[in-house]
Amino acid sequence: GEDVEQSLFLSVREGDSSVINCTYTDSSSTYLYWYKQEPGAGLQLLTYIFSNMDMKQDQRLTVLLNKKDKHLSLRIADTQTGDSAIYFCAAGFEGNAGKSTFGDGTTLTVKP
Amino acid sequence: EAGVVQSPRYKIIEKKQPVAFWCNPISGHNTLYWYRQNLGQGPELLIRYENEEAVDDSQLPKDRFSAERLKGVDSTLKIQPAELGDSAVYLCASSSRHRTTNNEQFFGPGTRLTVL
Repeated sequence: GEDVEQSLFLSVREGDSSVINCTYTDSSSTYLYWYKQEPGAGLQLLTYIFSNMDMKQDQRLTVLLNKKDKHLSLRIADTQTGDSAIYFCAAGFEGNAGKSTFGDGTTLTVKP
Repeated sequence: EAGVVQSPRYKIIEKKQPVAFWCNPISGHNTLYWYRQNLGQGPELLIRYENEEAVDDSQLPKDRFSAERLKGVDSTLKIQPAELGDSAVYLCASSSRHRTTNNEQFFGPGTRLTVL
């Protein structure tokens, strides 16, 4: 089955850019998602990209997809302390009605 | 629009006791998911419902776990008897193919289970 991997920790200074990386194994993944989880809360979708795209920008967020290498990244520009959270990469499939496989999350710490 | 509601938020039980979690998805969402999230890990799917039908329960430990979604709306996940290794956060999520184009899942806050 699908395997999704992420680095576990990232620490940046406020105002810098953050880049969180993710790799997945199933090239038939149709949707690639980034979810954010704050302490004591469930996951919240931040952004997503279809597999036929290579980039998507949404305000401070930029998602890059290298389908050949099965590599996904999330760049957060001008990182703020409120961005401190756990970020999960997930891969989903068109034909499987929303079933997604999640990575183990990257804990982003933003230092003032 | 109300989000996914879960209760209780926290539960502490002794091993071998039964426990039940309840989830009310977003109104109109036909797909409901139960996940288990261990500390430091991502969510792992336990069961997925399309309306009242369980369409994917391959990861549900059926010897002790059970779930139901009788009227295709709210759902209950039960563990009987609970084991120490069941300590985790149990997340419920819902989605609707008819309302979004990206199969986005909406998550509840989870129930944190501690088995002593």
